[in-house]
Amino acid sequence: QKEVEQNSGPLSVPEGAIASLNCTYSDRGSQSFFWYRQYSGKSPELIMSIYSNGDKEDGRFTAQLNKASQYVSLLIRDSQPSDSATYLCAVNIPGGSNYKLTFGKGTLLTVNP
Amino acid sequence: DGGITQSPKYLFRKEGQNVTLSCEQNLNHDAMYWYRQDPGQGLRLIYYSQIVNDFQKGDIAEGYSVSREKKESFPLTVTSAQKNPTAFYLCASTDGNTDTQYFGPGTRLTVL
Repeated sequence: QKEVEQNSGPLSVPEGAIASLNCTYSDRGSQSFFWYRQYSGKSPELIMSIYSNGDKEDGRFTAQLNKASQYVSLLIRDSQPSDSATYLCAVNIPGGSNYKLTFGKGTLLTVNP
Repeated sequence: DGGITQSPKYLFRKEGQNVTLSCEQNLNHDAMYWYRQDPGQGLRLIYYSQIVNDFQKGDIAEGYSVSREKKESFPLTVTSAQKNPTAFYLCASTDGNTDTQYFGPGTRLTVL
């Protein structure tokens, strides 16, 4: 069973701090990695995608990928109360259908004003 | 506007009834998916389709059925055989160039 593991949280940070969200995956062949944000009662929306080892920055968000250690992380700088949501990590399943993703159960982030 | 639409937003079903959830996309994506999400849980794959007239079971297909007669449409039927259908249902499609999945707004199904 291909797995994606995340700490369920809740992760609580003060406004303006850096929030660090982590995700590990089991299949060494995975090549595509995604972070989604899901507000309560809403559908997931894509924040970041990353395909190569290293860091990828987009505004206040930075995704970090380390394929050797099989983890991917998301850093949120200058956290805002509007960042309070569940963050889902998703990883592609290599082989078979190239379009299947496995999702972690998500980490609930709370940013306190 | 390009995107994925799902209808209805809320759906109530009596026990023993079949109901069909609609999913339409105008993103020209080949692959489409149905997920189920329960409170505090991750996404569980019900069915997926990589091309018109073809679909495969996901991890929890029992009690569900789908069709893919058009590229734009991937309806999901929740049958009376599904023992615990109350959940949030999400439709998605994939950009084949980037493997990125995009989600519709979801349908919340409640069995009365």
